Amino acid sequence: GNSVTQMEGPVTLSEEAFLTINCTYTATGYPSLFWYVQYPGEGLQLLLKATKADDKGSNKGFEATYRKETTSFHLEKGSVQVSDSAVYFCALLNTDKLIFGTGTRLQVFP
Amino acid sequence: KAGVTQTPRYLIKTRGQQVTLSCSPISGHRSVSWYQQTPGQGLQFLFEYFSETQRNKGNFPGRFSGRQFSNSRSEMNVSTLELGDSALYLCASSHGTTNSPLHFGNGTRLTVT
Repeated sequence: GNSVTQMEGPVTLSEEAFLTINCTYTATGYPSLFWYVQYPGEGLQLLLKATKADDKGSNKGFEATYRKETTSFHLEKGSVQVSDSAVYFCALLNTDKLIFGTGTRLQVFP
Repeated sequence: KAGVTQTPRYLIKTRGQQVTLSCSPISGHRSVSWYQQTPGQGLQFLFEYFSETQRNKGNFPGRFSGRQFSNSRSEMNVSTLELGDSALYLCASSHGTTNSPLHFGNGTRLTVT
């Protein structure tokens, strides 16, 4: 079946540190992959996406590359800010249904 | 362009009651999906509607139902509420075509007492 596995949180970083949040998936076929971010009290915001192998999604300094050989879609950012503190969800889209990981809480301190 | 709008933002109901949640999608989007978010189970897919037809369904009991209107607006109904139905209910809209991303509303926080 389809599933997404994310690294456990929370991830705690100082401002300007490098961020990696690991995400691996299991899927039939070739799903699209997404990262969503959820700020406190809000819904999910689409952060970036990739629709096929070797695609790189990027937005607001965040990047993730669709790696078919390792079935991974790790989220990276070179220099995090306090305002990046949120919960990040990796997801795959298969037959119009999003399958989410459990979410990783990121806490960035000044 | 207005985003996905969900009403109400907060609801408090008692066990046994029923509740209806509303979702207005982004203009031009024909697909509306519903998700339940809880601390224990995370984000779980409820169902998806496209052009007024349920196209996909998750593993929830029949107490959870939905519908979509001709203007793509959608409602979700939960009957005979249970304490475990307390959750954030998120609606998402998309064009409904292959690989089209979902755009989420801010959710309705339902508390069942």
